[in-house]
Amino acid sequence: GAVVSQHPSRVICKSGTSVKIECRSLDFQATTMFWYRQFPKQSLMLMATSNEGSKATYEQGVEKDKFLINHASLTLSTLTVTSAHPEDSSFYICSAWTSSSTDTQYFGPGTRLTVL
Amino acid sequence: GENVEQHPSTLSVQEGDSAVIKCTYSDSASNYFPWYKQELGKRPQLIIDIRSNVGEKKDQRIAVTLNKTAKHFSLHITETQPEDSAVYFCAAEGEYGNKLVFGAGTILRVKS
Repeated sequence: GAVVSQHPSRVICKSGTSVKIECRSLDFQATTMFWYRQFPKQSLMLMATSNEGSKATYEQGVEKDKFLINHASLTLSTLTVTSAHPEDSSFYICSAWTSSSTDTQYFGPGTRLTVL
Repeated sequence: GENVEQHPSTLSVQEGDSAVIKCTYSDSASNYFPWYKQELGKRPQLIIDIRSNVGEKKDQRIAVTLNKTAKHFSLHITETQPEDSAVYFCAAEGEYGNKLVFGAGTILRVKS
């Protein structure tokens, strides 16, 4: 299957700082990347859908000015959590999709964000 | 939009027994239904998927069935092993193409 990487795998930051998370498709070009947030013992909640070269589409209730998404190339999407607060602490997971993979989404390993 | 419900939330089985997890969905236009296995702190791994033109699909000890009329699909794991212990999520393709909506998850514990 296709390989998706995420960096960093774990980050601890102070309240008020910004954190950037990278998601890369290593062996294929991702037409679309998705960003999810997962709180402990809960399901994956879609935050936004990102298409290369266009603005991300955010799910209802997700602040686009707080969670900045950039999808500058077919292999890289970034999520920046701006002015992070303790309630933003979560497991952030990206997934990548390409038209050649039919409907399958390939997930990155996730980033554990802890805001102190 | 799409809504996916998953049951049970936890499931304990004895090693060697079968496990069944059920999901229902709301959007009759959905046509892709994957199942993911997630171990603690790890990424979700696709274990099997089914498309709406098929009623059943099997891969070794894992099978998925789909009833489009009733809008429900199920995961069946036979001859369970301790390494099958994990959280399992069902998902359905939402109203906009490849967007997935996930169920709440099922914690499967296989006791040896």
